[in-house]
Amino acid sequence: KAGVTQTPRYLIKTRGQQVTLSCSPISGHRSVSWYQQTPGQGLQFLFEYFSETQRNKGNFPGRFSGRQFSNSRSEMNVSTLELGDSALYLCASSLVLAVTGELFFGEGSRLTVL
Amino acid sequence: KQEVTQIPAALSVPEGENLVLNCSFTDSAIYNLQWFRQDPGKGLTSLLLIQSSQREQTSGRLNASLDKSSGRSTLYIAASQPGDSATYLCAVIDTNAGKSTFGDGTTLTVKP
Repeated sequence: KAGVTQTPRYLIKTRGQQVTLSCSPISGHRSVSWYQQTPGQGLQFLFEYFSETQRNKGNFPGRFSGRQFSNSRSEMNVSTLELGDSALYLCASSLVLAVTGELFFGEGSRLTVL
Repeated sequence: KQEVTQIPAALSVPEGENLVLNCSFTDSAIYNLQWFRQDPGKGLTSLLLIQSSQREQTSGRLNASLDKSSGRSTLYIAASQPGDSATYLCAVIDTNAGKSTFGDGTTLTVKP
């Protein structure tokens, strides 16, 4: 069966712009979590959506937001991009809440902010 | 606040050697612990999930153990192969925060 699909895989933006990333979970999975990975900070949790509701949120500014649709696909948006937002953004899907289920990751979206 | 530490940060071994990767965490109130591998520029691949009621899990040449009381997990790789070269990360999902905290990973190089 298909895995977690993230689009786009690579993108380049300039400071001040905004970006939207998409994640399609494994069929039947209801939870989607988002993570930011950078060489300096490692993997950091952004937020989790389950059944279209945000269930948990990490320590990121309000410029980072997300949503989940009725088919469980999720998008995350970053507004007013800063150089420090350059990172690999990963999403993970889980059959149940990520707290209790196994996480399956996509290949990530690599964002470069110039 | 949960903190997850992985030691060593990097490890280089000859092919065929058995090896152990370590993961320690500060808050023992966890739901489960999951081990992943990550190849350069790629996403994470799930290796093993150990739920809080379990002590270990095995898959092929991999064996992961969990000792909640001491805040430690180990990933044992038997008969290592060059294809095992990757970064290995552990993630702890703790009860209080309801979210996962990742270690910084151990980068493994297996030399032919």
